[in-house]
Amino acid sequence: GNSVTQMEGPVTLSEEAFLTINCTYTATGYPSLFWYVQYPGEGLQLLLKATKADDKGSNKGFEATYRKETTSFHLEKGSVQVSDSAVYFCALSVGGSGGGADGLTFGKGTHLIIQP
Amino acid sequence: DTGVSQNPRHKITKRGQNVTFRCDPISEHNRLYWYRQTLGQGPEFLTYFQNEAQLEKSRLLSDRFSAERPKGSFSTLEIQRTEQGDSAMYLCASSLDGFGGYTFGSGTRLTVV
Repeated sequence: GNSVTQMEGPVTLSEEAFLTINCTYTATGYPSLFWYVQYPGEGLQLLLKATKADDKGSNKGFEATYRKETTSFHLEKGSVQVSDSAVYFCALSVGGSGGGADGLTFGKGTHLIIQP
Repeated sequence: DTGVSQNPRHKITKRGQNVTFRCDPISEHNRLYWYRQTLGQGPEFLTYFQNEAQLEKSRLLSDRFSAERPKGSFSTLEIQRTEQGDSAMYLCASSLDGFGGYTFGSGTRLTVV
């Protein structure tokens, strides 16, 4: 089946530090890969995505590269801000650009805390 | 377009009662998904509609759960005879044929006491 494994949290960093949140996956078929962010009390927001190997998704200073050989999609940001504090979910979908009939398979989430 | 709307935002109910949640997707989106998220976990897929047809149901969706999407617009998720284990955030998402990804609503938080 499909599964996503991401690093356990919470991850606590100081403002302007470099961020890496690891994500690896197993999938039946060729997945599309996503990072979603969830701020307190809010729904999930798509942060970035990649649909084929070696694609790099990027948004708001975050980026992640689809690595088929290592089945990974690690999230990185060069300089984090307090406003980046949230829960980050890695996810995959099999079947086109995210419209697989079985929807998205999520990791457990990584709680990121940025201290001023 | 105001995005995906879910109502109510919060629901507290006594064990054994029935509850119903509503999701209004983005109007042009033909696909609609329900997920359940418990504390400290990622969302888990429950069911999926393409227009008005319910095409996929997770084994997580016991016979106490039923979902509908009449006329292919809004959707409802009903839980009968609620149990404490049903306490969770119920998320709705919509998509246009899968392109552009999914747009999630803010969720309905259910607490069964």
